[in-house]
Order: sequence, then structure tokens, then C-alpha cells
Amino acid sequence: DVKVTQSSRYLVKRTGEKVFLECVQDMDHENMFWYRQDPGLGLRLIYFSYDVKMKEKGDIPEGYSVSREKKERFSLILESASTNQTSMYLCAGQGATGNTIYFGEGSWLTVV
Amino acid sequence: QQQVKQSPQSLIVQKGGISIINCAYENTAFDYFPWYQQFPGKGPALLIAIRPDVSEKKEGRFTISFNKSAKQFSLHIMDSQPGDSATYFCAASGGTGGFKTIFGAGTRLFVKA
Repeated sequence: DVKVTQSSRYLVKRTGEKVFLECVQDMDHENMFWYRQDPGLGLRLIYFSYDVKMKEKGDIPEGYSVSREKKERFSLILESASTNQTSMYLCAGQGATGNTIYFGEGSWLTVV
Repeated sequence: QQQVKQSPQSLIVQKGGISIINCAYENTAFDYFPWYQQFPGKGPALLIAIRPDVSEKKEGRFTISFNKSAKQFSLHIMDSQPGDSATYFCAASGGTGGFKTIFGAGTRLFVKA
């Protein structure tokens, strides 16, 4: 069974803190994604990566950065968390030749 | 050009009824149209998908209807059950966007028992 694991399910952070959201996939997927989910706005792509150490901006990259040092791990970094980054964050993986995206269970981040 | 518009935002259906969710896209280069289902507290999971060379795909109670000329596709859930209550996302990918997937805003479905 395919698996994308987000290690932190629920986090509460203070404004200005640096936040790391970790994601690990066990499917040997080339492509990995970070989405943000907000009510009425659907899934918005923050960043994606198609190979180790490669990254591309998605639709809403401002305030975020990513790291992909190993194929199986893709981290989302909030350099200085703000209240408008309170949201649900979804990590996903996708094979190089396939279209299906496999999501993790999500990380709920609250910034106070 | 890259948008996928989904409607309705929410839907209440009686048990046994038909649920219909609609999506429209703009980029004619898209070549893969999946639907994802998301239960509360979980990530979305692929439900059913279609490519533009066919007009309909059916898997059990779930059917995708695809209208290439109108640039629209829809999900039909026959004999809707309370267990189908979830959020449904349509999506599109391919063409000049490559492997990037564009999602609709989502439809929250509630099936009344």
C-alpha cells in the first residue's frame, strides 16, 4: 500500500516562529508536492519538487520554502509564521510516469 | 487558463438519490481528469479518473461524464449513501502544465439517512 506520512498532525506555533513540516513517502516517487487547504479555496499548490534538491514554486509560495535533500523526504518551512498561515497542509507524492497523486493525512497548523 | 471551476460548493442529497457535481476547465491541453474524495481528518484519495478520449467512465456507483467540446466534466453518484458524505475535488493535469495538478474548490456532500 502506498504511504505518504506527515509526522506532525496538529501544531500550535507563535507568530514569528520558524516552523518545519516534515513529509516522508515510501513509494519511490519522483514528484512531491505541498498543498494548502482552506475552506472554499480548495487545494492550492505551494511548492513542488521533481527530483532531489530540485524545487519549483507553485501558486502561493510567498512566506514558504522547501527542502528535498533525499528522494523520500520533502519538508515545508515557514521562515516566520504568521496568523494568515493557519491552515491545513497536505503533502503528496506522484510517480514520474503516473498521474495519480497520493496524499498524506494532513498537518493542521494554528499560528497564534 | 489554468483554473478548474467546481460547483456546487455544498450539496445535500437524500439516501438513494443521485448526487451530481460539475466542473469546468479552460486549458484544452489538459489530458487527465481525476476526482478525489476526502473524509474528515484524512487526506484526499483518488476516486475515479477519465481521459478525454472517452465520454464516460463508470466504476460501481460512481460515473464521470466528460464533454470535451464544452470543456466540462461531472461526477454522478448513483444510489447515494450516508457513507458517501465527504468533500469531493475535481482536478485536471497534463498538457503544458506537465504533471502539475489543478484542483477545483471542492464540494461538500452530505447524504441524509
